[in-house]
Order: sequence, then C-alpha cells, then structure tokens
Amino acid sequence: AQTVTQSQPEMSVQEAETVTLSCTYDTSESDYYLFWYKQPPSRQMILVIRQEAYKQQNATENRFSVNFQKAAKSFSLKISDSQLGDAAMYFCAYRSAGSNYQLIWGAGTKLIIKP
Amino acid sequence: SQTIHQWPATLVQPVGSPLSLECTVEGTSNPNLYWYRQAAGRGLQLLFYSVGIGQISSEVPQNLSASRPQDRQFILSSKKLLLSDSGFYLCAWSWALATNEKLFFGSGTQLSVL
Repeated sequence: AQTVTQSQPEMSVQEAETVTLSCTYDTSESDYYLFWYKQPPSRQMILVIRQEAYKQQNATENRFSVNFQKAAKSFSLKISDSQLGDAAMYFCAYRSAGSNYQLIWGAGTKLIIKP
Repeated sequence: SQTIHQWPATLVQPVGSPLSLECTVEGTSNPNLYWYRQAAGRGLQLLFYSVGIGQISSEVPQNLSASRPQDRQFILSSKKLLLSDSGFYLCAWSWALATNEKLFFGSGTQLSVL
C-alpha cells in the first residue's frame, strides 16, 4: 500500500524568504500523480501544485515550485518570497494513475510566516 | 463557473442522534463526489466516493453512510452518532475520467458529538 510522509509537523520562515516543505512517499507503481494542497485558517482545501510522475520537469506555479525526485520518492515544495497569506497547513498527496478516487494524504506541515 | 456548497458549517449533536450533512455542486454535470473526514491536526481520510447517481463506494467501515439522490447532490448520514464521529468533514468534487485532475473542496462542516 502507498504511504505519504511529511516529517515536518511545523515550519517557520521570515516573510520574503524561501522555505522548503518535505514530502516522501512509498509506492511500487511507476505511474502516479502528486499534489500539494494548502489549508488556510478558513479550513478550505486549495490545490497549490501538481506533478505527473512521467514528467521529468518540475512543476512550477508562480512562487511555488516542486523538487520531484522519482528515484528517491521525494516531492518537496519550495515557496519563494514567502507572504503572510502563505501561512497555512500544507498537505502532500499521492494518487495512483489507475485510480480516480483514492488520494493518499500526508499528515500535514503547519507553515508559520514571521513578519 | 463551478461552485460547491456544503452545510451546515458547524454542528453540535448529542451522542445517539441522527446526522445529515449536505453537499451540492453547481456548474458541472456528472462529477465525481467525495466525503472526507479530517481529525484534529491530521490529514484527510476518504470516507465515501461516488461516480454517479446511486453509486456509492465506502472506503472505511464505520457508523456513517452516504447517498447521491441527484447528480450534483451528496449526503452524509448517520442513524446514531458516536463520540468518535466528531471531526471536520469535507465534501469535494472532481471531473470524471481524469486521474490527474484536482479536487475542489467545500468549506467543511465541524461536527462535535457530545
């Protein structure tokens, strides 16, 4: 069975600096998708970025980028120029390419932005 | 554009009482629908998903049930709540037939069973 591990329960960063959130996963599959979701204090879950495992190029979305290391089964999220609005819980998630339904979620990392 | 509505936002219920949480999606047809539960400080646990009217799949044996009486309506129910049913419940939808598509989440329901 697949598992997703986020080893950092909490991270803090100074506003305008860069922070990296870690995520590792375990799978025997070769085709899958990875996601980072953000859950601000409002508690609504919002997709930040996604990566297809068959793509070698790392996904980027404005200030958010990932470092996808398929062999190491690592999928870290880098947030550049951190802003106060980035403060939230961040969840890493895995979905098998063979499944439309089951997302495997990490436990989350709480990101604190220091003004 | 598509929107998802989930209500109520908060609910306090006594042990043994029934439960009904409702979720509706607008602006799309035949979406995949999901119910998740999030325990305090934890990740999300998939409870139910549905790919069509009347089609419900359960991921975790529990005290809860789900129904999809209409294409864009998803209901989470219980006949008798347990203390362990407390948590934050999130409804979500996604486009059908797209494994890499993102989930769109509702605003959630905080359920406290006392």
